[in-house]
Amino acid sequence: EPEVTQTPSHQVTQMGQEVILRCVPISNHLYFYWYRQILGQKVEFLVSFYNNEISEKSEIFDDQFSVERPDGSNFTLKIRSTKLEDSAMYFCASSFSSYEQYFGPGTRLTVT
Amino acid sequence: GDSVTQMEGPVTLSEEAFLTINCTYTATGYPSLFWYVQYPGEGLQLLLKATKADDKGSNKGFEATYRKETTSFHLEKGSVQVSDSAVYFCALSDRSGGSNYKLTFGKGTLLTVNP
Repeated sequence: EPEVTQTPSHQVTQMGQEVILRCVPISNHLYFYWYRQILGQKVEFLVSFYNNEISEKSEIFDDQFSVERPDGSNFTLKIRSTKLEDSAMYFCASSFSSYEQYFGPGTRLTVT
Repeated sequence: GDSVTQMEGPVTLSEEAFLTINCTYTATGYPSLFWYVQYPGEGLQLLLKATKADDKGSNKGFEATYRKETTSFHLEKGSVQVSDSAVYFCALSDRSGGSNYKLTFGKGTLLTVNP
């Protein structure tokens, strides 16, 4: 069964450094998403991406964040200058239609 | 804006007990409703869904019915197993107002089933 994959599974970085989180969505999916889950809190929407552009973003997704689908298979989330409060589990998701989003296993980002 | 409120737990049950996890929602439009499950150390898996009023989603013995009149989508299972121990998230997807199918999640309910 096809699945969404994410790399790395765990990323440790120092405050102020740039990080890129990578995702490979399911191959025929059209909609792509990033969510994050701070430890012990709810899963929060960051951004959605469709037809090679951002279709919606949350207040969390400020100028420090960007997304890209560079080669038709990968979907990346970049944080330009990480802060301590960016420490969280980041989930990528993809869907073919509006109804079912399939999630990857997540990348745990630790900012020190 | 949209929101989901679910029973926070933790919930601890014995094997074969009956499970209910309450979920209510607020949405501007006519949302689709979902339950996701997160097993320890893993990502989110779609457990079941319902897209219109009175629809019943079901999977692996779990059920939830979309109740528009009470804006609820409670998760139930008649006989839980140890392997059901996980965090359960209620979520909605509302396309009104230009929302592009993003999911809005509840806080999650930790379920522990003891043998």
